Amino acid sequence: GESVGLHLPTLSVQEGDNSIINCAYSNSASDYFIWYKQESGKGPQFIIDIRSNMDKRQGQRVTVLLNKTVKHLSLQIAATQPGDSAVYFCAENMSGAGSYQLTFGKGTKLSVIP
Amino acid sequence: DAGITQSPRHKVTETGTPVTLRCHQTENHRYMYWYRQDPGHGLRLIHYSYGVKDTDKGEVSDGYSVSRSKTEDFLLTLESATSSQTSVYFCAISESKRPARSTEAFFGQGTRLTVV
Repeated sequence: GESVGLHLPTLSVQEGDNSIINCAYSNSASDYFIWYKQESGKGPQFIIDIRSNMDKRQGQRVTVLLNKTVKHLSLQIAATQPGDSAVYFCAENMSGAGSYQLTFGKGTKLSVIP
Repeated sequence: DAGITQSPRHKVTETGTPVTLRCHQTENHRYMYWYRQDPGHGLRLIHYSYGVKDTDKGEVSDGYSVSRSKTEDFLLTLESATSSQTSVYFCAISESKRPARSTEAFFGQGTRLTVV
């Protein structure tokens, strides 16, 4: 819950603006990526995913961009709303022996200013 | 919301005592996972299960054991709790071994465990 937000990079945006949250992943063998949203006191909630054969995927108000060359993932949230305030995690997954495991980033705290 | 219930939601225990956390699902998903979440570390996998009585270790399994005697329940046990195991514990479930495009892992609400 509340302790998740400590020690995290924080992004503050004005309501209505677009948000961009970045993530550097660690394993060049990872071929599947997920963004999760975690509100205070709750478990992570799936937002959007992308496979490594794509470089962009769009959902409702969200877009994920993948740059495999530099192992970078970003989440763009359009017209950010107060309800978007949360901690956002990227997670990576790879095929093969480790395919059961999701490796999570440390998270970014998004604060929306009304 | 996916049917996952973790119990208890909060617990304070003393160092050296055994503690068992329970995860119960009503989705009949095959795969179940226990994660811990600590500031600065994100979520880390403790153990996972790929079927009844089938479990395996994750990256931070030392000091933890698990059991799955039926599809719907996955138990996490700290045999002798230590202060380093103070954390928030999350259970997750998924239909497939590998989270697929339409089958993401669903997480429970978490259990906040404090070892004093």
